[in-house]
Order: sequence, then structure tokens, then C-alpha cells
Amino acid sequence: AQSVTQPDIHITVSEGASLELRCNYSYGATPYLFWYVQSPGQGLQLLLKYFSGDTLVQGIKGFEAEFKRSQSSFNLRKPSVHWSDAAEYFCAVGAQGGADGLTFGKGTHLIIQP
Amino acid sequence: DVKVTQSSRYLVKRTGEKVFLECVQDMDHENMFWYRQDPGLGLRLIYFSYDVKMKEKGDIPEGYSVSREKKERFSLILESASTNQTSMYLCASSFRGPYNEQFFGPGTRLTVL
Repeated sequence: AQSVTQPDIHITVSEGASLELRCNYSYGATPYLFWYVQSPGQGLQLLLKYFSGDTLVQGIKGFEAEFKRSQSSFNLRKPSVHWSDAAEYFCAVGAQGGADGLTFGKGTHLIIQP
Repeated sequence: DVKVTQSSRYLVKRTGEKVFLECVQDMDHENMFWYRQDPGLGLRLIYFSYDVKMKEKGDIPEGYSVSREKKERFSLILESASTNQTSMYLCASSFRGPYNEQFFGPGTRLTVL
């Protein structure tokens, strides 16, 4: 079965600074990988996804992520964060040929300092 | 815009009550999902459905059942609510295929007293 690890429960970043959120997955084949964001009191919104092709994927709100098979990682990055980026971020993996439900990491809570 | 709506944002029930959580999507998606979200545990899949009247157990189905009589509607049922089912419940929908984006509703925060 697949699994996802987000090693950082909380991250604090100053506004304007760069951001990297870590995600490691465990899955035998090429995974389908997703990053979702959850703002306070809201449902989840898709930031970006990877399932084949270019390993650097661009998403909404200026986010990007890089798939590194050798490291089983799919880290999320943003060059300059805004106060509105404060939210909970979830990495998720989907399985090929199996059920369509996603396996989520436990989330990283992003705090933006002024 | 895709819309996934959930019948209640907040719900308070008593132990032993039967609880229905309703979810409706308007994008003709084949798949619908129920997740439970708890602090420090992320989202965990309870059940999903890939077609009308079809259902599959997720990672934590115990204590829950589901119903999908129409394509746009997916209900989560707690037959006899217990305090350990106090949680945030999120519904999602997608087209068939694990590479497709799941669209989420705003969630129902259920408290069982």
C-alpha cells in the first residue's frame, strides 16, 4: 500500500521569503502525486499534480513541485510567499490500477511572519 | 465552477443517534469520496463510490456506511454515533481515474456528545 510522509508539522516563513515543503512517498510503481491547500474553514483546493512527463510541474498561485524518483520525493516550492499563503498543505498519492481514493500525508501548517 | 456541497457545516448529535451526512456534486463525476480529517492525522478515506449503487471501503470504514442512489449524491451514515466519531468530514468527487483532480466540499464538523 502507498504512504505519504510530510516531515514538517509546522513551518514558519517570513513574508517574501522562499518556501519549500517536503513530501516523501512510498509506492512501488510511478505514482500520481498531488499537492492540495486548505485555507482556514475551507475545503481542499488542488495546487498541482504530477503523473508523467516533465518532473517539474507548475501550479496555481505561483507554486511548483519537483518529482524526484531517486529520492521518492515531491517537494512543493514557492519563490516568495505572501501572507495569504498561510494555510494547511497536504501532499497525496494516488495508485495506478487500484481504487481511486487518495492517500494523504498528515499535512504541514504554514505560518507567515510579517 | 465545480460545486461540491455538503448538507451541514456544523452538526451536533448525541451518542447512539443515527446520523446522515449528505454530499451533492454538480459536475457529473463518476467518483465520490468521504474522508475524515483529524488534527495530526491528515485525511483518511472512509468510503468511495465509482458509480451509482457501487461502493468500496477505504482505510477506516468501521462504524460507517454509505449510500449512492443517484449519481450526484453520496451519503455517509453513522448507524450509531459514538464520541470517537467527532471529526471533520470532507466529501469529494472526481472523474474516474486516480490521476484526476478531486474536488472537495467545505466539510461538516460533527460533534458527538
